[in-house]
Amino acid sequence: AQSVTQLGSHVSVSEGALVLLRCNYSSSVPPYLFWYVQYPNQGLQLLLKYTTGATLVKGINGFEAEFKKSETSFHLTKPSAHMSDAAEYFCAVSPTSFSGGYNKLIFGAGTRLAVHP
Amino acid sequence: NAGVTQTPKFQVLKTGQSMTLQCAQDMNHNSMYWYRQDPGMGLRLIYYSASEGTTDKGEVPNGYNVSRLNKREFSLRLESAAPSQTSVYFCASSTWGQDNQPQHFGDGTRLSIL
Repeated sequence: AQSVTQLGSHVSVSEGALVLLRCNYSSSVPPYLFWYVQYPNQGLQLLLKYTTGATLVKGINGFEAEFKKSETSFHLTKPSAHMSDAAEYFCAVSPTSFSGGYNKLIFGAGTRLAVHP
Repeated sequence: NAGVTQTPKFQVLKTGQSMTLQCAQDMNHNSMYWYRQDPGMGLRLIYYSASEGTTDKGEVPNGYNVSRLNKREFSLRLESAAPSQTSVYFCASSTWGQDNQPQHFGDGTRLSIL
């Protein structure tokens, strides 16, 4: 069964510092990959997604992620953290095989990002 | 653009009470989902509806029932609430048959069971 591992349940960075949130998946076939962000008391918003093609994916708010098949990873980065980036971030995978009409998503446990002045 | 709307936003129940969580989407999506979110566990799928008229169990269906009322609406019912069902519940929707299309989420219902 596919699974998603997010290393570090809490990450703390200084404003202006690099943000690196780690995500590894287990699958024999590269799945579709997503990063979602959840701000306090809100639902999940899509940051970016990888399907096929270019392995470096750019998302909203200056975030990007790189798909590395050899490492089964899809780490999320942002060059310079902003206070408004403080939120919880979820990595999710979806199998590439057709799932009978619904988009099965398997979520990681989440990483809470704190940004301090 | 409303997207996915969930009601209520907050609810407190006593053990054994029943209630229905409502979800509606205005994006003409075929598929709808109910998740629960618990600390340190990410989101877990309770039930899903691939299309109008069909529903199926997800990862954690015990203690819940669902109804796909029409294409727009998908409700989640707790028949006899238990403290273990204290959680944040999210409804989501997506287009049908395209695995690379993301799910769109509502803002959640925060449910406490005493």
